[in-house]
Amino acid sequence: ETGVTQTPRHLVMGMTNKKSLKCEQHLGHNAMYWYKQSAKKPLELMFVYNFKEQTENNSVPSRFSPECPNSSHLFLHLHTLQPEDSALYLCASSQEVGAAGEQYFGPGTRLTVT
Amino acid sequence: GENVEQHPSTLSVQEGDSAVIKCTYSDSASNYFPWYKQELGKGPQLIIDIRSNVGEKKDQRIAVTLNKTAKHFSLHITETQPEDSAVYFCAARVGGGADGLTFGKGTHLIIQP
Repeated sequence: ETGVTQTPRHLVMGMTNKKSLKCEQHLGHNAMYWYKQSAKKPLELMFVYNFKEQTENNSVPSRFSPECPNSSHLFLHLHTLQPEDSALYLCASSQEVGAAGEQYFGPGTRLTVT
Repeated sequence: GENVEQHPSTLSVQEGDSAVIKCTYSDSASNYFPWYKQELGKGPQLIIDIRSNVGEKKDQRIAVTLNKTAKHFSLHITETQPEDSAVYFCAARVGGGADGLTFGKGTHLIIQP
């Protein structure tokens, strides 16, 4: 276990549904990240939060809406998704942004959009 | 922004042999280069990393080399074992910035018994 948990592990949703992904880290870190992992593509950074403040939005469509209520929790709210949004969504945390060091990844949420 | 290229996409080696995976990066300001291993159903896990002020780092059967001039870095696994079978990702992070990591596309390493 890396100290980063994600729920749910699997999610199937229709294009008109609204759902949320949850990430929690038990490492005392101050930075949290959302990545998207699609088949045959590199992991893509989506959002970065440092001390609860969003520091990066990597040109992600507005149908993905992140929320970071505190340094231990990170959410990704999903609405009106497209089939091409089907992927593994990974959460990660690190001590803080800008300090080179290990990012710890959760196991991911496998999302299928039908 | 940073661009990371990784080769090969698939690598099959006999158990006990060595495996080498290579990556190149584009931004000379990058100063941190981690390698992650991802097993089926799990998130990536850091196995070794190197910073730009070091040319080589070793941890038991795993080593990483960095050539800043050529902007490439490599992962070396010696005496490969079946449990080394996984997908390996290289990544780079630009120094001083607030960014997350930029990843390569991954290498599927297969250890043949």
